[in-house]
Amino acid sequence: DSGVTQTPKHLITATGQRVTLRCSPRSGDLSVYWYQQSLDQGLQFLIQYYNGEERAKGNILERFSAQQFPDLHSELNLSSLELGDSALYFCASSSRLGGRSQETQYFGPGTRLLVL
Amino acid sequence: EDQVTQSPEALRLQEGESSSLNCSYTVSGLRGLFWYRQDPGKGPEFLFTLYSAGEEKEKERLKATLTKKESFLHITAPKPEDSATYLCAVLPEGNAGNMLTFGGGTRLMVKP
Repeated sequence: DSGVTQTPKHLITATGQRVTLRCSPRSGDLSVYWYQQSLDQGLQFLIQYYNGEERAKGNILERFSAQQFPDLHSELNLSSLELGDSALYFCASSSRLGGRSQETQYFGPGTRLLVL
Repeated sequence: EDQVTQSPEALRLQEGESSSLNCSYTVSGLRGLFWYRQDPGKGPEFLFTLYSAGEEKEKERLKATLTKKESFLHITAPKPEDSATYLCAVLPEGNAGNMLTFGGGTRLMVKP
């Protein structure tokens, strides 16, 4: 158990809908990351937040957005869902930026999203 | 553009048959290279971080090594419970955050 929690575990929805995925980082970790894993694309970085501020952005679609709250939990919002958005969505956390041991990312169990 | 290539894509071993997994990378500068293990439907589990060429890390039957262009994950006398997908990721220098670039993974199957 990495200490990172994600809810829900599974989500089934229809095209055009909007969903929110939630992540609680390990105790004390300030950085939260979101990744998408699909069969054809592998594990792809979406976005990173550090202590409430956006820090880095990957190839995240405009239909997707995220935020990190004062208690450090994070939410990933996916809207106008398409069939191709079906994937596993992982959250990871690390303690800080910089400093070797602080950069290791610990992953949660993931949310499996199925868009029908 | 940062690139990570893992080979082979899949590897079948008999229990006790040692082997190595390869991770080749292209980055302008390397801040760190990470190995993860992922079981089906689960999140990646951290194994090792390597920072500089020549560095080695060991954990049970696994040993990770790093050169300037690639990393190897050596598996000695594997057991069926070592069956999983092994992922390699790089953290480039000059990265504003800690964005990892992952390879496609090697799916390892160890038969008893």
